[in-house]
Amino acid sequence: NAGVTQTPKFRILKIGQSMTLQCTQDMNHNYMYWYRQDPGMGLKLIYYSVGAGITDKGEVPNGYNVSRSTTEDFPLRLELAAPSQTSVYFCASSTRDPPRKNIQYFGAGTRLSVL
Amino acid sequence: GNSVTQMEGPVTLSEEAFLTINCTYTATGYPSLFWYVQYPGEGLQLLLKATKADDKGSNKGFEATYRKETTSFHLEKGSVQVSDSAVYFCALSDRDSGTYKYIFGTGTRLKVLA
Repeated sequence: NAGVTQTPKFRILKIGQSMTLQCTQDMNHNYMYWYRQDPGMGLKLIYYSVGAGITDKGEVPNGYNVSRSTTEDFPLRLELAAPSQTSVYFCASSTRDPPRKNIQYFGAGTRLSVL
Repeated sequence: GNSVTQMEGPVTLSEEAFLTINCTYTATGYPSLFWYVQYPGEGLQLLLKATKADDKGSNKGFEATYRKETTSFHLEKGSVQVSDSAVYFCALSDRDSGTYKYIFGTGTRLKVLA
């Protein structure tokens, strides 16, 4: 019953450093998503994927990159971290198959601070 | 474009009080509508959903009805408990896009006092 697993849970970066946020799901879901959650702002979509090898930009993609080489994994890469990227990052997945069609399942989040 | 507007919080209620959290949406086509709940330190989890007009979603005593005529999906509960304290998000998904992307509201924090 792992669902969506994100690592790490917490991270502090210095300005200009890079890191990869890991996300893996064991539900064989086609769709995966990365969001950031800023205080009082709800969730904003960064990138999404509709299947292995296919990714596309969401609402706020600048400063991030993704890849989807397998169905299970959807890592998010931060290059040249900036204080504006301080946020909580959530990974989610969903399926197009009933009965859970279009329900997104979320990981526990990664809290990132860039100082 | 599509959007979701939620009432601002925080909402503070006494235990056993009636809860309403307002949610309205703007969308082209016929979106699916969702309420998600986020407990402290956790990710979001689905509370309830509705996929077409006049559908009522319900779970754990919470209810919401998909009102196309008023473009609303208000969340209600007749008697809240301390354990309901959390942040609640309204969301829509444009089924016609083929990507099942969500658009979230800004969230409403609920605090229930014993």
